[in-house]
Amino acid sequence: QVQLVQSGAEVKKPGSSVKVSCKASGGTFSSYAISWVRQAPGQGLEWMGRIIPILGIANYAQKFQGRVTITADKSTSTAYMELSSLRSEDTAVYYCARQYSSSWSLGYWGQGTLVTVSS
Amino acid sequence: EIVLTQSPGTLSLSPGERATLSCRASQSVSSSYLAWYQQKPGQAPRLLIYGASSRATGIPDRFSGSGSGTDFTLTISRLEPEDFAVYYCQQYGSSFGPGTKVDIK
Repeated sequence: QVQLVQSGAEVKKPGSSVKVSCKASGGTFSSYAISWVRQAPGQGLEWMGRIIPILGIANYAQKFQGRVTITADKSTSTAYMELSSLRSEDTAVYYCARQYSSSWSLGYWGQGTLVTVSS
Repeated sequence: EIVLTQSPGTLSLSPGERATLSCRASQSVSSSYLAWYQQKPGQAPRLLIYGASSRATGIPDRFSGSGSGTDFTLTISRLEPEDFAVYYCQQYGSSFGPGTKVDIK
């Protein structure tokens, strides 16, 4: 079955960048969109953007345009999310999630990566 | 940009009761692109419903989704103890609603 395994927790300084990875196994990596969703402590889910690996094209939520870059490496079935110019409000759990069948919904989720931004 | 609102913010019910959760969109959403998720503390969200009314693999039939246009509903016919959680709707695999917490009365 499809599994997504994310990289470990990160602590970053304000103004720096973070890159989180998401390695997929099972299923066909290239054909399905991978999204990134974050959740600040005690808050709801926030969609950041997604990529379809076979196309190599990413699209982003307006809020994150210019600050987030989502990429995918088909050779290793790994997706990446890089967020720059970090501020304290970016402290959150970041999830990757894969498209479910032919719908755009997110049927498979990684375990989440806690990113803490603190001076 | 489509904005989703969910109501109520919190729903306090007892096991065995019926739960009705609402998701309203600021403009029409294709039914094909409306999904519902369940999230428990410390866990990743779990897909319950996609295409507004189709249950994802392994989801019990006490969960059902309905609606079209701008108004969608998630119904849990009889609440089980494990159903007390936060529920989110999502459109087009992108923006989420703010969530409805279903807690034990």
